[in-house]
Amino acid sequence: DTAVSQTPKYLVTQMGNDKSIKCEQNLGHDTMYWYKQDSKKFLKIMFSYNNKELIINETVPNRFSPKSPDKAHLNLHINSLELGDSAVYFCASSQLGESAYQETQYFGPGTRLLVL
Amino acid sequence: KQEVTQIPAALSVPEGENLVLNCSFTDSAIYNLQWFRQDPGKGLTSLLLIQSSQREQTSGRLNASLDKSSGRSTLYIAASQPGDSATYLCAVSGHKFYFGSGTKLNVKP
Repeated sequence: DTAVSQTPKYLVTQMGNDKSIKCEQNLGHDTMYWYKQDSKKFLKIMFSYNNKELIINETVPNRFSPKSPDKAHLNLHINSLELGDSAVYFCASSQLGESAYQETQYFGPGTRLLVL
Repeated sequence: KQEVTQIPAALSVPEGENLVLNCSFTDSAIYNLQWFRQDPGKGLTSLLLIQSSQREQTSGRLNASLDKSSGRSTLYIAASQPGDSATYLCAVSGHKFYFGSGTKLNVKP
């Protein structure tokens, strides 16, 4: 069984479109994250949710809107896609320690987004 | 602002060699440091987590050390195998989570 799953695995779309990426974890964790990995392979945190509540929101354009219907799901909706949004987006989950990052994070396989 | 650096960016070794990957960070106020493995086209797998109060962690052929005062961590891989070929990322957690850019390891048969 996949611990952290993301769909779709690949996403190719035109500039200006709106798209969503879904993430689900079956580990029973209460905290989920979205990361962006750019072309230079740097991973940067975008958002973190704990029990459906936003706890971390980095400096991300408001075209990106996370939605957490329950603690096992954290979806990422992107409006008006731009060329610079092309990247690999990773979802992760963990238990919540004293800080959002204190426990081991488990990552999904990534969604490769290409904006043309 | 925390900066995480990994050296070397790429490493190629023959099978069987012992090797060391380096990670340095600028702010020693961290909760923990984690080493991850990323295979091409795949997600990240957590290898070792060292809490700030610990000096090292071991898992199989892997040993990670942490020297918080000097802002350094090393990942030691013993008796490397071709299956170890991947990109190894370190990440430090404080109030935020910062990744290094990784060391791409190639173990030649």
